[in-house]
Amino acid sequence: QLQLQESGPGLVKPSETLSLTCTVSGGSISSSSYYWGWIRQPPGKGLEWIGSIYYSGSTYYNPSLKSRVTISVDTSKNQFSLKLSSVTAADTAVYYCARHRATVIDYWGQGTLVTVSS
Amino acid sequence: EIVMTQSPATLSVSPGERATLSCRASQSVSSNLAWYQQKPGQAPRLLIYGASTRATGIPARFSGSGSGTEFTLTISSLQSEDFAVYYCQQYNNWPWWTFGQGTKVEIK
Repeated sequence: QLQLQESGPGLVKPSETLSLTCTVSGGSISSSSYYWGWIRQPPGKGLEWIGSIYYSGSTYYNPSLKSRVTISVDTSKNQFSLKLSSVTAADTAVYYCARHRATVIDYWGQGTLVTVSS
Repeated sequence: EIVMTQSPATLSVSPGERATLSCRASQSVSSNLAWYQQKPGQAPRLLIYGASTRATGIPARFSGSGSGTEFTLTISSLQSEDFAVYYCQQYNNWPWWTFGQGTKVEIK
């Protein structure tokens, strides 16, 4: 059974960079045909796709966040990571990592709350 | 960007009754639409893809219909475990996915 687990600081200061890692177990991150993505959900609000990385290394970002987002993959550790720069309070959210095809998301991590506050 | 609009925002339904949720796209997404269920404190779970195909393990009381710009998720007889928030997602123009804002199904 595939499992994804987010990790990283739960508190980030304004203007700093949010960094999260997703560790994949029960399957290989190098499997063909799958994307590995990040989705966030501000408290009490809906879902927003942040970006994804293909197993080949190609990256895709939400245009509204593209200038601040970097997603990378470390196949040796079966992990992928998110960096979001210049954060503000509006970036406070539960951040989910997920596996998907170019269609739907079939596996999600449990989510991690990141709060932006001084 | 394709905007997905869900209605109503909140639906109050008694257990055993039928629930009908709507999702409208700002432009055609063909049948490239999915529905997810999210319970408090949990990640979303895929229910329906291709507008009408149930994902693995999803009970038959969940059904989806529609194409183009108008879609419906129907829960034929609400069980206690079905009270949750439901999101639609279009994937017609990957990677420019978008989600609806959600419909909360609450106990009447």
